[in-house]
Amino acid sequence: DTGVSQDPRHKITKRGQNVTFRCDPISEHNRLYWYRQTLGQGPEFLTYFQNEAQLEKSRLLSDRFSAERPKGSFSTLEIQRTEQGDSAMYLCASSLQGAPRNEQFFGPGTRLTVL
Amino acid sequence: GESVGLHLPTLSVQEGDNSIINCAYSNSASDYFIWYKQESGKGPQFIIDIRSNMDKRQGQRVTVLLNKTVKHLSLQIAATQPGDSAVYFCAENNGAGNQFYFGTGTSLTVIP
Repeated sequence: DTGVSQDPRHKITKRGQNVTFRCDPISEHNRLYWYRQTLGQGPEFLTYFQNEAQLEKSRLLSDRFSAERPKGSFSTLEIQRTEQGDSAMYLCASSLQGAPRNEQFFGPGTRLTVL
Repeated sequence: GESVGLHLPTLSVQEGDNSIINCAYSNSASDYFIWYKQESGKGPQFIIDIRSNMDKRQGQRVTVLLNKTVKHLSLQIAATQPGDSAVYFCAENNGAGNQFYFGTGTSLTVIP
């Protein structure tokens, strides 16, 4: 257990529905990342927050995806009008700015299945 | 984006033997690399990192080698144990932001 938690762990939804995932980072970490991982592939960067500011977004993050970190603590990732291609593991990670190494601590992920 | 890939998608080793997992990267501007271990049902776990001003770094039972000339990274695991069975990813950062680019992954199976 890295200290990063994600909820839910699994989500099955029908195409066209909206889903929202939550990530609770390690409490003192000011940086939070979202990744998407498909089977057999490495995680793909989606977006990054420093405190409450969303500083980087991948071009993978279509306009159906939105992420927030309103108080600089937990974060949510919402996918609107889900498509089958959105089926993947969504990973959250956190890190501490200025730490000796830029280690990102990953949560267990939320596995999304879009039917 | 950058291209980070692994030469061998699967690797099987006998318990007690040494393992070597390789990774190629394409962005010569990358200056920081991390090896992650991912067990089934879990998120990636940091193993060891190396900056581009180094060519070798050692940890507990693990060594990372960096060859910037050919843009190649390797992870050596000494005396491989059954608990080392997992998928291993290399990730690179080009220093321009906080994006890490992950390779495809190598599945390591340790045979008791």
